[in-house]
Amino acid sequence: GAVVSQHPSRVICKSGTSVKIECRSLDFQATTMFWYRQFPKQSLMLMATSNEGSKATYEQGVEKDKFLINHASLTLSTLTVTSAHPEDSSFYICSATSGTGGGETQYFGPGTRLLVL
Amino acid sequence: GDSVTQMEGPVTLSEEAFLTINCTYTATGYPSLFWYVQYPGEGLQLLLKATKADDKGSNKGFEATYRKETTSFHLEKGSVQVSDSAVYFCALSVGGTSYGKLTFGQGTILTVHP
Repeated sequence: GAVVSQHPSRVICKSGTSVKIECRSLDFQATTMFWYRQFPKQSLMLMATSNEGSKATYEQGVEKDKFLINHASLTLSTLTVTSAHPEDSSFYICSATSGTGGGETQYFGPGTRLLVL
Repeated sequence: GDSVTQMEGPVTLSEEAFLTINCTYTATGYPSLFWYVQYPGEGLQLLLKATKADDKGSNKGFEATYRKETTSFHLEKGSVQVSDSAVYFCALSVGGTSYGKLTFGQGTILTVHP
């Protein structure tokens, strides 16, 4: 089946630094990628929808200047957490789909654990 | 807004026991419904889905039926195995401007003992 990778799998950084997380579709072209955030023992919360070659669409309450998303190619999307603070510590998960709408299967990456000290 | 509510976990069962994980939803439109599974150390995988009322999704012995009248999509399996131990997420997706977006339930941890 389709594989989505994320890098790094785990990152620890100091408060105030920026962290970039990569999401790659390894064997298919992803027209749309989604970024989620998951707090311990809670559900996945959609942060933004990323379409190749266009600006990301952010969910209400998500700071677009803090969580920069770039979807420069059909196989790569990046999430940059700028000026990270301890409250940004979380599990970040991406998913990718080759479709353009609902019903198509989303393939999920294994997630990136971010810890901000 | 759209939301999904799953039964509280964790759920602990013995091998070959019957499994039910309840899921109910509220949606502004006509949603597609999904069950995703997350095995330890892995990403979420689609387990099954249903796109219209009375549809039954099935995979690997798991089943769920789209019940519009009760806004439910309960997951069932007749005989669980140790290898079914994972976190299970119920989710929905609606059309319109939210096309393709998934709204997840909080997840239910399932542990199956030999």
